[in-house]
Amino acid sequence: DVKVTQSSRYLVKRTGEKVFLECVQDMDHENMFWYRQDPGLGLRLIYFSYDVKMKEKGDIPEGYSVSREKKERFSLILESASTNQTSMYLCASSLAGEGDEQYFGPGTRLTVT
Amino acid sequence: ILNVEQSPQSLHVQEGDSTNFTCSFPSSNFYALHWYRWETAKSPEALFVMTLNGDEKKKGRISATLNTKEGYSYLYIKGSQPEDSATYLCAPDPSWGKLQFGAGTQVVVTP
Repeated sequence: DVKVTQSSRYLVKRTGEKVFLECVQDMDHENMFWYRQDPGLGLRLIYFSYDVKMKEKGDIPEGYSVSREKKERFSLILESASTNQTSMYLCASSLAGEGDEQYFGPGTRLTVT
Repeated sequence: ILNVEQSPQSLHVQEGDSTNFTCSFPSSNFYALHWYRWETAKSPEALFVMTLNGDEKKKGRISATLNTKEGYSYLYIKGSQPEDSATYLCAPDPSWGKLQFGAGTQVVVTP
């Protein structure tokens, strides 16, 4: 079974803090993704990576950066957390790009106060 | 960014009844259409990935159809059971895995 794990289920941070969200997958997948989910909206893609050290911006990259130093690990970084980044963050991975299903982690509910 | 609409936003179904709901998206070129099921306190799970116009997929009591020319997909649940309660997400893939998710249809099945 593919397993995608995220470092925390719940996280509370203060405005201005630097926040790291970690994601690890155990199936040697090429692609990894970070989404955020807000009430009434669909999952929105923040960043994705199709290979180690490779990354591309998604639809809402502002205020975020990412790091992928190893194939299995993809980190989302909030350089200076703001209250409008309070959200549910989901990580996903897939074998390749076209037509492959994505496997999701359990999500991290981040609250920025 | 694609405009992906799912309707209805939510629906309540009696156990044993069948139901269906819609995903609409611009009928432009895209690689695939994904359906995911997201149960409360769990991770979204893939139900189907469809790529061809006229595609039909089935998994148990759940099935889906795809019309790429007119830009819609239907998901059907036959004989709904309480374990079908979840939010169902559709997501066209216009560009190499960069899924564009709709807001979902929340299904509540009552015994």
